[in-house]
Amino acid sequence: DSGVTQTPKHLITATGQRVTLRCSPRSGDLSVYWYQQSLDQGLQFLIQYYNGEERAKGNILERFSAQQFPDLHSELNLSSLELGDSALYFCASSAETGATNEKLFFGSGTQLSVL
Amino acid sequence: AQKITQTQPGMFVQEKEAVTLDCTYDTSDPSYGLFWYKQPSSGEMIFLIYQGSYDQQNATEGRYSLNFQKARKSANLVISASQLGDSAMYFCAILTGNQFYFGTGTSLTVIP
Repeated sequence: DSGVTQTPKHLITATGQRVTLRCSPRSGDLSVYWYQQSLDQGLQFLIQYYNGEERAKGNILERFSAQQFPDLHSELNLSSLELGDSALYFCASSAETGATNEKLFFGSGTQLSVL
Repeated sequence: AQKITQTQPGMFVQEKEAVTLDCTYDTSDPSYGLFWYKQPSSGEMIFLIYQGSYDQQNATEGRYSLNFQKARKSANLVISASQLGDSAMYFCAILTGNQFYFGTGTSLTVIP
């Protein structure tokens, strides 16, 4: 168990809908990352938050948004969903101490299916 | 520019044999970390091994070792005595400039 909790594990929805994915980081970790993994694809970095503030942005669509709350949990909002948004969405956390040995701890992912 | 390159989309290895998964990286930072993660078919991302840029010795974790060649900017993962449970996707990653970058992964299949 990585200590990172993602809910829900599976989500099935229709095109045009909006969904929210939730992530609770490992206790003590201030940094949360969101990744998208489409079928047979690598990890696409979406966005990173550190202690409530956006730290870095990757290939995140304008239809997607995220935030990190004061209790450090994070939500990824996906709107106007398209078939191509079907993917496994990972949340990961780290303590962000600046040390190079600081690994990412991943949640088990949310499998999103857009029908 | 790609920070991490994994040139082997798929690899096969006979059970009990050793296998090397290639990874090259690109960074101008003197201080960085290199990681390998395993993603079995169940989907979770499992941390395997870490190598720091200043580490003099290659990292080892059980049957996993990291062949770190700093001058060549390579960080290959060696899995010894492959087991059927090693069949999975393997991702190489670098932490540099306070950012993580992942490669596209290598799919490893262990043949009985």
